[in-house]
Amino acid sequence: AQSVTQLDSQVPVFEEAPVELRCNYSSSVSVYLFWYVQYPNQGLQLLLKYLSGSTLVKGINGFEAEFNKSQTSFHLRKPSVHISDTAEYFCAVSSTDKLIFGTGTRLQVFP
Amino acid sequence: EAQVTQNPRYLITVTGKKLTVTCSQNMNHEYMSWYRQDPGLGLRQIYYSMNVEVTDKGDVPEGYKVSRKEKRNFPLILESPSPNQTSLYFCASSLSWGDQPQHFGDGTRLSIL
Repeated sequence: AQSVTQLDSQVPVFEEAPVELRCNYSSSVSVYLFWYVQYPNQGLQLLLKYLSGSTLVKGINGFEAEFNKSQTSFHLRKPSVHISDTAEYFCAVSSTDKLIFGTGTRLQVFP
Repeated sequence: EAQVTQNPRYLITVTGKKLTVTCSQNMNHEYMSWYRQDPGLGLRQIYYSMNVEVTDKGDVPEGYKVSRKEKRNFPLILESPSPNQTSLYFCASSLSWGDQPQHFGDGTRLSIL
């Protein structure tokens, strides 16, 4: 069975500091990987996706993620965060018949 | 503007009173889905539809019904709502299944008293 684990429920960080949000998945089949962001009182928006090819994926708002097949991870990174990055971030895994979301990581950026 | 529209955005109602949450997309997407979001549990899929007249259960379908009579609409029906269905609900659509990202509506917050 597939599963997605976001190890950190909350990540506090100061503005302009780097951040990494961790995501691990388990699946016996090939998967597609996504990161979504949810701002307060809004739906989810796609940040980036990995389908195939280069393991380093660049997304919107300066975020990037690296697919690591051996460690079954897809961690999200940003070298310098801004106050406006405060939001909830969801990792998701899609295979032939299911889309599974992690439980989310709340990124709180402090001035 | 490409969008997924849900209505209502907020609803407070009582146990047992049937309700429908509408979802409409204007992107000609084939795939549509309903999720509920609960604290600490992330998003869980309720039902999905691969195309018109094709629907299937997700992970938490109990107490819900859906229909897909037209490509653009995918209403979520709670025939006899109960307090454990109090949640934040999202409708989403995508061009096809699998490698296409989901486009989400802004959510519907349901409170069942």
